[in-house]
Amino acid sequence: DIVLTQSPGTLSLSPGERATLSCRASQTVSRTHLAWYQQKPGQAPRLLIYGASSRATGIPDRFSGSASGTDFTLTITTLEPEDFAVYYCQQYGASPYTFGQGTKLEIK
Amino acid sequence: QVQLQESGPGLVKPSQTLSLTCTVSGVSVSRGDYYWNWIRHHPVEGLEWIGFIFHGGTFYNPSLQSRPSISVDTSKNQFSLRLTAMTAADTAIYYCARASRGYFGPDAFDVWGQGTMVTVSS
Repeated sequence: DIVLTQSPGTLSLSPGERATLSCRASQTVSRTHLAWYQQKPGQAPRLLIYGASSRATGIPDRFSGSASGTDFTLTITTLEPEDFAVYYCQQYGASPYTFGQGTKLEIK
Repeated sequence: QVQLQESGPGLVKPSQTLSLTCTVSGVSVSRGDYYWNWIRHHPVEGLEWIGFIFHGGTFYNPSLQSRPSISVDTSKNQFSLRLTAMTAADTAIYYCARASRGYFGPDAFDVWGQGTMVTVSS
């Protein structure tokens, strides 16, 4: 199975700051089949990014994704109050499709 | 607008079989463009993909061995999950989710149900 390791576990920032979240895969993810999701308490995950760098429908352009080998990054350029949540990466290039353990983005 | 809604028992006894249903609105489950998935969120272990049904064929996470079974009821526009031999380790929030057909398999999960909590306890 492809293991996805997210870092940091918790990120404490203030609104207006820039957030950089990392996700490292244990092996090559096929054709950058990597997604990022945002999850708020009591809600289902929401798709933010697919194909490592494509924004899903309705996602603001302050969210962006990038890839370099087995390292993937989600960047939020200017944090809004509603962005504080848990973020998960997920690979869908090889079965079983796996998720990272999550990064909690909290208000500093 | 596509919506998914899970339903089923919130409490299951150990060794019993869990049955959950996902009711889909806004798109037909019989369309060949989509994979219909079940995913669960363990309290500690995190998110785990269980399996999907696509074009009537099914595929499951090998870690669950032969326990899961996913089926579709096109007359009700629903798909369902059965998970046998439930234990406390299966306590989780269960989600149904849609994935579009990609070049080599499912794409990312773009629509999710709100989730349903399932507790395994006697």
